[in-house]
Amino acid sequence: KAGVTQTPRYLIKTRGQQVTLSCSPISGHRSVSWYQQTPGQGLQFLFEYFSETQRNKGNFPGRFSGRQFSNSRSEMNVSTLELGDSALYLCASSLANSGSQETQYFGPGTRLLVL
Amino acid sequence: AQTVTQSQPEMSVQEAETVTLSCTYDTSENNYYLFWYKQPPSRQMILVIRQEAYKQQNATENRFSVNFQKAAKSFSLKISDSQLGDTAMYFCAFIKANAGGTSYGKLTFGQGTILTVHP
Repeated sequence: KAGVTQTPRYLIKTRGQQVTLSCSPISGHRSVSWYQQTPGQGLQFLFEYFSETQRNKGNFPGRFSGRQFSNSRSEMNVSTLELGDSALYLCASSLANSGSQETQYFGPGTRLLVL
Repeated sequence: AQTVTQSQPEMSVQEAETVTLSCTYDTSENNYYLFWYKQPPSRQMILVIRQEAYKQQNATENRFSVNFQKAAKSFSLKISDSQLGDTAMYFCAFIKANAGGTSYGKLTFGQGTILTVHP
């Protein structure tokens, strides 16, 4: 079974631009979570989607948004990029079949550099 | 809110030896899961091992095992017969077991421990 895939793997943008990152979960997985990883703040939770609905959101400004499609693929968008948005963005998928949390499996990440 | 603390920023070990990475966490929850993930230089986050809080038996996965002390809120990872491929940053992570409200999909991570295995 194919793992979680993320595109693009690397991205360079300038301040003020916007960016869209894509995540395709493991086949059959319905939940997708997004994380931001930086040297200073470590790994921080952005949001989680299930059945095209955002169920949870971390403490990030409204410039960070996302969505999920009917095939469980997810995108996240960052508008009006700031230098501090430079980070590795990781997505993770899980089955989410029951009321309990399932193990999350991560993609390779998208490395975003904002100049 | 839950917190996860890894007190060892860096550790090193000789190939074939055993090393233990420490993790403590703080939570008022009774049902939760704990994980160890490794992140090698490729930056791919890889699941190493998972522990359900309701299980008293410590989880094991080949050369990897945990020492789960629920009362002490401690969750250490032991790597036996260390291999060069074990060189990576290791993250301890926590998630509430019962999904709902602000717990959906939210893993809380420690700051990580960089492990270097020397030949």
